[in-house]
Amino acid sequence: ETGVTQTPRHLVMGMTNKKSLKCEQHLGHNAMYWYKQSAKKPLELMFVYSLEERVENNSVPSRFSPECPNSSHLFLHLHTLQPEDSALYLCASSIRGDGELFFGEGSRLTVL
Amino acid sequence: QKEVEQNSGPLSVPEGAIASLNCTYSDRGSQSFFWYRQYSGKSPELIMFIYSNGDKEDGRFTAQLNKASQYVSLLIRDSQPSDSATYLCAVYGSSNTGKLIFGQGTTLQVKP
Repeated sequence: ETGVTQTPRHLVMGMTNKKSLKCEQHLGHNAMYWYKQSAKKPLELMFVYSLEERVENNSVPSRFSPECPNSSHLFLHLHTLQPEDSALYLCASSIRGDGELFFGEGSRLTVL
Repeated sequence: QKEVEQNSGPLSVPEGAIASLNCTYSDRGSQSFFWYRQYSGKSPELIMFIYSNGDKEDGRFTAQLNKASQYVSLLIRDSQPSDSATYLCAVYGSSNTGKLIFGQGTTLQVKP
């Protein structure tokens, strides 16, 4: 596989469920990101990891919990989400930790 | 004031025309500027970046930057229906927190 791969592509969960989104990059990049994309709103940066260390936590509610076990993998653990958390969650990576991002195809999350 | 501002459109141009997409930003210390293209149902992909004042050309695309006016634009010459997409302006801030700020995006429609 090449590029940035996200699974699952679609997820429906209830407010009491616990689920995880997975991202894997095969580009040898040093930085990985989670972004949230909601309708009619700009892309919102959630978390940044550089060399497996979290360098940005953009005031994200604690019901979202990131994990970066190594430079190729990034997870977003979800628990007790709200309907307003329904959105497209995009993972991205970059080689230098700057603005040249490579995005995965996204995980479309629906919270019932 | 929004950090990165774009007219959401839609901007409609006939095939073969020049499409002009504009973006303003609020952080005067911003260093680098990016244009991403996002087709409907797909993830964003980087198409241009610019760091210095002036013009940067890549094929049919020209990025223009004016730091004094805090303004960046993207020109698409000889627009094609395949250019129909949402174009996201993104600005890398003056701090070192890895924060790439996106605008809301401008939807471009190129009509045959």
